[in-house]
Amino acid sequence: GIQVEQSPPDLILQEGANSTLRCNFSDSVNNLQWFHQNPWGQLINLFYIPSGTKQNGRLSATTVATERYSLLYISSSQTTDSGVYFCAVISQASGTYKYIFGTGTRLKVLA
Amino acid sequence: GAVVSQHPSRVICKSGTSVKIECRSLDFQATTMFWYRQFPKQSLMLMATSNEGSKATYEQGVEKDKFLINHASLTLSTLTVTSAHPEDSSFYICSARVQDYGNTIYFGEGSWLTVV
Repeated sequence: GIQVEQSPPDLILQEGANSTLRCNFSDSVNNLQWFHQNPWGQLINLFYIPSGTKQNGRLSATTVATERYSLLYISSSQTTDSGVYFCAVISQASGTYKYIFGTGTRLKVLA
Repeated sequence: GAVVSQHPSRVICKSGTSVKIECRSLDFQATTMFWYRQFPKQSLMLMATSNEGSKATYEQGVEKDKFLINHASLTLSTLTVTSAHPEDSSFYICSARVQDYGNTIYFGEGSWLTVV
Protein backbone atom coordinates (compact mmCIF):
# COMPACT_ATOMS: atom_id res chain seq x y z
CA GLY A 1 0.00 0.00 0.00
CA ILE A 2 0.86 3.64 -0.17
CA GLN A 3 3.46 4.97 2.26
CA VAL A 4 3.15 8.45 3.74
CA GLU A 5 6.17 9.93 5.47
CA GLN A 6 6.33 13.28 7.21
CA SER A 7 9.31 15.35 8.21
CA PRO A 8 10.61 16.48 10.52
CA PRO A 9 9.17 14.13 13.15
CA ASP A 10 9.67 16.71 15.89
CA LEU A 11 10.05 20.47 15.76
CA ILE A 12 10.57 23.09 18.46
CA LEU A 13 10.11 26.74 17.56
CA GLN A 14 10.28 30.03 19.32
CA GLU A 15 7.09 32.01 19.10
CA GLY A 16 7.10 34.16 15.98
CA ALA A 17 9.27 31.81 13.91
CA ASN A 18 8.27 30.32 10.57
CA SER A 19 8.36 26.64 9.65
CA THR A 20 7.79 24.21 6.80
CA LEU A 21 6.40 20.72 7.30
CA ARG A 22 6.74 18.13 4.57
CA CYS A 23 4.59 15.16 3.52
CA ASN A 24 5.96 12.63 1.01
CA PHE A 25 3.82 9.89 -0.45
CA SER A 26 4.87 6.88 -2.44
CA ASP A 27 2.07 6.68 -5.00
CA SER A 28 -0.36 8.85 -6.91
CA VAL A 29 -3.14 10.28 -4.78
CA ASN A 30 -6.66 11.49 -5.42
CA ASN A 31 -6.96 13.52 -2.27
CA LEU A 32 -4.77 15.02 0.41
CA GLN A 33 -5.67 16.78 3.62
CA TRP A 34 -3.66 18.42 6.37
CA PHE A 35 -4.85 18.16 9.98
CA HIS A 36 -3.81 19.63 13.29
CA GLN A 37 -4.34 17.42 16.34
CA ASN A 38 -4.53 19.53 19.46
CA PRO A 39 -3.31 18.37 22.88
CA TRP A 40 -6.81 17.06 23.67
CA GLY A 41 -6.75 14.76 20.66
CA GLN A 42 -9.18 16.67 18.48
CA LEU A 43 -8.38 16.65 14.77
CA ILE A 44 -8.89 19.95 13.02
CA ASN A 45 -9.09 20.03 9.25
CA LEU A 46 -6.62 22.62 7.92
CA PHE A 47 -6.60 22.13 4.17
CA TYR A 48 -8.12 19.90 1.55
CA ILE A 49 -5.41 20.20 -1.10
CA PRO A 50 -4.94 17.40 -3.66
CA SER A 51 -2.99 19.86 -5.81
CA GLY A 52 -2.01 23.52 -6.00
CA THR A 53 -1.64 26.09 -3.26
CA LYS A 54 -4.03 27.40 -0.64
CA GLN A 55 -3.71 29.93 2.13
CA ASN A 56 -5.68 30.50 5.30
CA GLY A 57 -4.33 33.23 7.56
CA ARG A 58 -0.88 32.30 8.82
CA LEU A 59 -1.08 28.87 7.26
CA SER A 60 -0.58 27.88 3.66
CA ALA A 61 -0.13 24.59 1.86
CA THR A 62 1.20 23.45 -1.47
CA THR A 63 0.83 20.04 -3.08
CA VAL A 64 2.91 19.00 -6.08
CA ALA A 65 1.10 15.81 -6.99
CA THR A 66 3.41 14.93 -9.88
CA GLU A 67 6.38 14.92 -7.50
CA ARG A 68 4.42 13.26 -4.70
CA TYR A 69 4.83 15.73 -1.90
CA SER A 70 2.97 18.40 -0.01
CA LEU A 71 4.22 21.23 2.18
CA LEU A 72 2.53 23.02 5.06
CA TYR A 73 3.86 26.47 5.93
CA ILE A 74 3.30 28.05 9.32
CA SER A 75 4.27 31.70 9.61
CA SER A 76 4.62 33.78 12.78
CA SER A 77 4.01 30.70 14.92
CA GLN A 78 2.03 30.97 18.15
CA THR A 79 1.93 28.72 21.20
CA THR A 80 -1.56 27.62 20.16
CA ASP A 81 -0.02 26.08 17.03
CA SER A 82 1.53 23.37 19.22
CA GLY A 83 0.34 19.84 18.63
CA VAL A 84 0.74 17.19 15.98
CA TYR A 85 0.31 17.86 12.28
CA PHE A 86 -0.79 15.03 10.03
CA CYS A 87 -1.22 14.76 6.33
CA ALA A 88 -3.60 12.11 5.04
CA VAL A 89 -4.00 10.83 1.50
CA ILE A 90 -6.29 8.66 -0.57
CA SER A 91 -4.34 6.45 -2.89
CA GLN A 92 -5.45 6.66 -6.51
CA ALA A 93 -4.86 2.93 -6.87
CA SER A 94 -7.06 2.04 -3.91
CA GLY A 95 -10.32 2.91 -5.65
CA THR A 96 -11.75 3.81 -2.27
CA TYR A 97 -12.25 6.83 -0.03
CA LYS A 98 -9.97 5.50 2.69
CA TYR A 99 -7.54 8.07 4.03
CA ILE A 100 -4.09 6.86 5.05
CA PHE A 101 -2.34 9.03 7.60
CA GLY A 102 1.25 10.11 7.60
CA THR A 103 3.66 9.62 10.45
CA GLY A 104 3.03 13.10 11.84
CA THR A 105 5.12 16.10 12.88
CA ARG A 106 5.04 17.00 16.56
CA LEU A 107 5.36 20.77 16.94
CA LYS A 108 6.04 22.67 20.12
CA VAL A 109 6.04 26.45 20.07
CA LEU A 110 7.73 28.11 23.01
CA ALA A 111 6.63 31.45 24.40
CA GLY B 1 -17.85 22.96 8.06
CA ALA B 2 -19.64 19.69 8.61
CA VAL B 3 -20.03 18.44 12.17
CA VAL B 4 -19.27 14.94 13.36
CA SER B 5 -20.04 14.18 16.98
CA GLN B 6 -18.60 11.30 18.95
CA HIS B 7 -19.76 10.00 22.30
CA PRO B 8 -18.57 9.32 24.93
CA SER B 9 -15.42 11.40 24.94
CA ARG B 10 -13.93 9.35 27.76
CA VAL B 11 -14.89 5.95 29.10
CA ILE B 12 -13.40 3.61 31.65
CA CYS B 13 -14.55 0.01 31.69
CA LYS B 14 -13.63 -3.17 33.46
CA SER B 15 -11.71 -5.89 31.70
CA GLY B 16 -14.08 -8.39 30.09
CA THR B 17 -16.95 -5.97 29.56
CA SER B 18 -18.10 -4.37 26.31
CA VAL B 19 -18.25 -0.68 25.51
CA LYS B 20 -20.03 1.16 22.71
CA ILE B 21 -18.84 4.35 21.03
CA GLU B 22 -21.20 6.39 18.86
CA CYS B 23 -20.36 8.54 15.87
CA ARG B 24 -23.00 10.88 14.48
CA SER B 25 -23.07 13.21 11.52
CA LEU B 26 -25.10 16.16 12.79
CA ASP B 27 -25.81 18.22 9.70
CA PHE B 28 -25.31 15.87 6.79
CA GLN B 29 -25.92 12.29 5.74
CA ALA B 30 -22.93 10.00 5.74
CA THR B 31 -23.18 6.80 3.74
CA THR B 32 -19.60 6.03 4.67
CA MET B 33 -17.84 6.51 7.97
CA PHE B 34 -14.39 5.43 9.06
CA TRP B 35 -13.04 4.25 12.39
CA TYR B 36 -9.45 4.89 13.42
CA ARG B 37 -7.36 3.92 16.39
CA GLN B 38 -4.45 5.90 17.77
CA PHE B 39 -1.95 4.74 20.35
CA PRO B 40 -0.01 7.37 22.33
CA LYS B 41 2.44 9.35 20.22
CA GLN B 42 1.58 7.36 17.12
CA SER B 43 -0.31 8.04 13.94
CA LEU B 44 -3.91 7.13 13.22
CA MET B 45 -4.48 3.62 11.95
CA LEU B 46 -7.60 2.85 9.94
CA MET B 47 -9.57 0.02 11.53
CA ALA B 48 -12.60 -0.29 9.31
CA THR B 49 -14.91 1.38 6.84
CA SER B 50 -18.51 1.57 7.97
CA ASN B 51 -21.10 1.42 5.19
CA GLU B 52 -24.71 2.36 5.84
CA GLY B 53 -26.98 -0.64 5.52
CA SER B 54 -24.24 -3.17 4.90
CA LYS B 55 -21.38 -4.90 6.64
CA ALA B 56 -18.29 -2.99 7.61
CA THR B 57 -15.05 -3.55 5.76
CA TYR B 58 -12.19 -4.25 8.14
CA GLU B 59 -8.53 -3.59 7.57
CA GLN B 60 -6.08 -6.44 7.70
CA GLY B 61 -5.25 -7.47 11.23
CA VAL B 62 -8.36 -5.99 12.83
CA GLU B 63 -10.52 -8.54 14.64
CA LYS B 64 -14.07 -8.33 13.33
CA ASP B 65 -15.57 -10.14 16.30
CA LYS B 66 -13.82 -7.89 18.78
CA PHE B 67 -14.59 -4.56 17.14
CA LEU B 68 -18.22 -4.68 16.06
CA ILE B 69 -19.31 -1.88 13.75
CA ASN B 70 -22.89 -1.04 12.96
CA HIS B 71 -24.05 1.68 10.56
CA ALA B 72 -27.80 1.41 10.84
CA SER B 73 -28.70 4.89 9.64
CA LEU B 74 -27.27 7.65 7.46
CA THR B 75 -26.25 9.64 10.52
CA LEU B 76 -25.04 7.06 13.02
CA SER B 77 -22.26 4.49 13.18
CA THR B 78 -21.32 2.62 16.33
CA LEU B 79 -18.16 0.81 17.38
CA THR B 80 -18.50 -1.80 20.11
CA VAL B 81 -15.35 -3.11 21.72
CA THR B 82 -16.33 -6.54 23.02
CA SER B 83 -14.68 -8.33 25.93
CA ALA B 84 -12.32 -5.42 26.38
CA HIS B 85 -8.82 -5.93 27.69
CA PRO B 86 -6.23 -3.41 28.89
CA GLU B 87 -4.42 -3.61 25.54
CA ASP B 88 -7.58 -2.23 23.91
CA SER B 89 -7.04 1.02 25.78
CA SER B 90 -6.55 3.64 23.10
CA PHE B 91 -7.94 6.74 21.44
CA TYR B 92 -10.69 5.84 18.98
CA ILE B 93 -11.83 8.40 16.43
CA CYS B 94 -14.40 8.31 13.66
CA SER B 95 -14.71 10.32 10.50
CA ALA B 96 -17.24 10.81 7.75
CA ARG B 97 -16.94 11.79 4.12
CA VAL B 98 -19.00 14.78 3.10
CA GLN B 99 -20.09 14.04 -0.44
CA ASP B 100 -21.32 17.54 -1.20
CA TYR B 101 -17.88 18.92 -0.36
CA GLY B 102 -15.99 16.60 -2.65
CA ASN B 103 -14.02 14.11 -0.65
CA THR B 104 -13.23 16.22 2.39
CA ILE B 105 -13.46 14.23 5.58
CA TYR B 106 -14.35 15.54 9.01
CA PHE B 107 -13.52 13.92 12.28
CA GLY B 108 -15.34 13.42 15.51
CA GLU B 109 -13.82 14.58 18.78
CA GLY B 110 -12.49 11.12 19.58
CA SER B 111 -13.05 8.77 22.49
CA TRP B 112 -10.47 7.84 25.08
CA LEU B 113 -11.01 4.24 26.20
CA THR B 114 -9.31 2.95 29.32
CA VAL B 115 -9.76 -0.69 30.26
CA VAL B 116 -8.88 -1.50 33.86
